[in-house]
Amino acid sequence: GQNIDQPTEMTATEGAIVQINCTYQTSGFNGLFWYQQHAGEAPTFLSYNVLDGLEEKGRFSSFLSRSKGYSYLLLKELQMKDSASYLCAVRDSNYQLIWGAGTKLIIKP
Amino acid sequence: GAVVSQHPSRVICKSGTSVKIECRSLDFQATTMFWYRQFPKQSLMLMATSNEGSKATYEQGVEKDKFLINHASLTLSTLTVTSAHPEDSSFYICSALGRVLGNQPQHFGDGTRLSIL
Repeated sequence: GQNIDQPTEMTATEGAIVQINCTYQTSGFNGLFWYQQHAGEAPTFLSYNVLDGLEEKGRFSSFLSRSKGYSYLLLKELQMKDSASYLCAVRDSNYQLIWGAGTKLIIKP
Repeated sequence: GAVVSQHPSRVICKSGTSVKIECRSLDFQATTMFWYRQFPKQSLMLMATSNEGSKATYEQGVEKDKFLINHASLTLSTLTVTSAHPEDSSFYICSALGRVLGNQPQHFGDGTRLSIL
């Protein structure tokens, strides 16, 4: 079956750095996405990786290793507004998005 | 950037009522639209995938006669929850994907919070 694993919850301090990991096992691979979802709101797109390596976008970076079935989202200079759930999703061979359960990130002052 | 508009944002109605939710892609043609449901503190659950001009594909366990999906044009899909009951209360979110795949992400509407009394 298809599976996306990410930690359920993480806690970090304002101003610090946090890395949210995601491992996947899917039928084919056509890219990995990270989304941010604040409580009670719809997800918003953060990043996309299809080739191995690091993609940097401001305070957020996303890394992919296809051979390991592994990705991480790195958040730097954490702000209180970064408190949200972070969803990892993989597009499989049928171009369906397979979703992880999300990682709830709690930022403390 | 691409925008997906979902309406209404909130619905409160009596049990037995049918509720229609609209999802529109505002500046791109959405060949595929996805409907999700999310219960509090749980992950997104895909209900169905619809391609313009064809019948929706429902996920296992989702009743197609209860959750009617219409994707009649490249910019509009509707989800109708028929004869809604309190257990149907949830956060419903649509998502749209245009013709070009690859690195194009799914764009989400703002969601509809449905409360059945």
